[in-house]
Amino acid sequence: GQQLNQSPQSMFIQEGEDVSMNCTSSSIFNTWLWYKQDPGEGPVLLIALYKAGELTSNGRLTAQFGITRKDSFLNISASIPSDVGIYFCAGKTGTYKYIFGTGTRLKVLA
Amino acid sequence: DVKVTQSSRYLVKRTGEKVFLECVQDMDHENMFWYRQDPGLGLRLIYFSYDVKMKEKGDIPEGYSVSREKKERFSLILESASTNQTSMYLCASSASQGAKMETQYFGPGTRLLVL
Repeated sequence: GQQLNQSPQSMFIQEGEDVSMNCTSSSIFNTWLWYKQDPGEGPVLLIALYKAGELTSNGRLTAQFGITRKDSFLNISASIPSDVGIYFCAGKTGTYKYIFGTGTRLKVLA
Repeated sequence: DVKVTQSSRYLVKRTGEKVFLECVQDMDHENMFWYRQDPGLGLRLIYFSYDVKMKEKGDIPEGYSVSREKKERFSLILESASTNQTSMYLCASSASQGAKMETQYFGPGTRLLVL
């Protein structure tokens, strides 16, 4: 099945640093979602984006729906140790179906 | 808050056994989904259902079937478990009306090991 290109695949950062990750696709999406998954758990929704150009924040997290509708970005400001996990993007295609990115594994060094 | 629950967090089964994975959501969502998650492959859609008794194949339906007899419950069935079905299984649900209602919410996952 189709997947989104998500980058970077993994990153180590120092506590307090800002983090950026993105997803790109050759297809246009009308909804973008960002999830975080802790080891052994299901993904938890962080931010949902519904309009091209939309910029939405959730605490230290900010996500943007790209103008072209083919990409989305997630930024985490002032990272803390509990930000460790895998971050997934998902783009909605068709009426019901989402396509998921391969994930960005984030490790925060205290 | 949306709550999606899965019947088991961990399961160990033998090759050839019939396996049932249950998922229940408490938000009256029309849509329910089953994914499997494997390292390096991300989330892959097995089946989804947009209404009671309705089902659609996802990207990897082979070896699986599903049942949706009640709106809140969506079951994934492995008719004859095989070792290549060892995986993390994730259930999700979403509402149907309006773009903002179509956000998918996930359960905690069932980690299945087939020996």
